Amino acid sequence: DTGVSQDPRHKITKRGQNVTFRCDPISEHNRLYWYRQTLGQGPEFLTYFQNEAQLEKSRLLSDRFSAERPKGSFSTLEIQRTEQGDSAMYLCASSLAGPYGYTFGSGTRLTVV
Amino acid sequence: AQSVTQLGSHVSVSEGALVLLRCNYSSSVPPYLFWYVQYPNQGLQLLLKYTSAATLVKGINGFEAEFKKSETSFHLTKPSAHMSDAAEYFCAVSQYQAGTALIFGKGTTLSVSS
Repeated sequence: DTGVSQDPRHKITKRGQNVTFRCDPISEHNRLYWYRQTLGQGPEFLTYFQNEAQLEKSRLLSDRFSAERPKGSFSTLEIQRTEQGDSAMYLCASSLAGPYGYTFGSGTRLTVV
Repeated sequence: AQSVTQLGSHVSVSEGALVLLRCNYSSSVPPYLFWYVQYPNQGLQLLLKYTSAATLVKGINGFEAEFKKSETSFHLTKPSAHMSDAAEYFCAVSQYQAGTALIFGKGTTLSVSS
């Protein structure tokens, strides 16, 4: 068990460009979550999957954001036409379905310039 | 709707002193409650969780928390602070039966001085 892996660790992009992040969860975990964290704030929920199905999506999530988990294993989060306000740490977590805590990855830090 | 309020964005204690980090929740159904710790440039690590069993929950690194329904609180404590406890701490709530994901508070930064 290598934990939750996120790639890349850091991404600097120009405003207007598209970016894609990858998350590899713990293999036996069927749930996968995406959160966004800005400085001085707690993680903000974006979306989550159970297997390949996207079960919940935050109403705060812009339509420029899209997430996939095509085979119920790894997941990608894409941000189109990035804006400076998208600069944040993007965290991925996984868990089993049930009252279990999540295992978080180390995050991808996005800087939009 | 569910929410979490962490009272005090910054708490400072001396090494060896009691640590008390406050968390109050709002939930329309019995909640599951969690405490996480985050060290700089790292992801979040689960400290402990309450899932409707014992109201006093023991976690890692000597931390514990008590669920008090009448006060809608889930405060985190540690009898004696260590320098290595300096980090950001987050309280989170979930309504698992409703299929919702964890909702986090804004966090409390714990500083420990020698």
